[in-house]
Amino acid sequence: GAVVSQHPSWVICKSGTSVKIECRSLDFQATTMFWYRQFPKQSLMLMATSNEGSKATYEQGVEKDKFLINHASLTLSTLTVTSAHPEDSSFYICSADPGQGTDTQYFGPGTRLTVL
Amino acid sequence: TQLLEQSPQFLSIQEGENLTVYCNSSSVFSSLQWYRQEPGEGPVLLVTVVTGGEVKKLKRLTFQFGDARKDSSLHITAAQPGDTGLYLCAGAEGNEKLTFGTGTRLTIIP
Repeated sequence: GAVVSQHPSWVICKSGTSVKIECRSLDFQATTMFWYRQFPKQSLMLMATSNEGSKATYEQGVEKDKFLINHASLTLSTLTVTSAHPEDSSFYICSADPGQGTDTQYFGPGTRLTVL
Repeated sequence: TQLLEQSPQFLSIQEGENLTVYCNSSSVFSSLQWYRQEPGEGPVLLVTVVTGGEVKKLKRLTFQFGDARKDSSLHITAAQPGDTGLYLCAGAEGNEKLTFGTGTRLTIIP
């Protein structure tokens, strides 16, 4: 149980285009999902907290107008990278909190974004 | 922002050797988690420690949470090539958010 999927697993796009990444909790509901970014050989950095039915909370330094987050249901959150640039190339990972009163998050397999 | 420093940053040892990875912070966490991440994949939870001084064992892996809940260690006995990966500690701040450590990249040489 507690499986989180991401789609696509990898994407290559041209500079200036927008890319949408989906994060789904497959066998549980998650009122809270998290989006992380990981650059090569670095750790995970939290970008934003996605709450079902409300606006996302962004970490300091993360542009909310560039990284649009929508958490439309208890099993789906999406991250849209708008007007992507090469410096946005990274590994994007989501996680979902089943809300069991613990600090447990279940992580997706990640999405590799390459912006040309 | 709370910082979690891991040491060493890189570690390459021979199969069969023992090793310890450290995770240190100046802040107190409600719990601390250890993950292993393979290239191109998301992190996989190994263990969660909650109580100061707590020790948990997972086969050849031993995890310890510091008495003050500011630091943790991961000890691997008789390392195997399958232990190779990026080890990440993450502290929970009590508000659902996790702060990840700087990571330790472990390579076990057959």
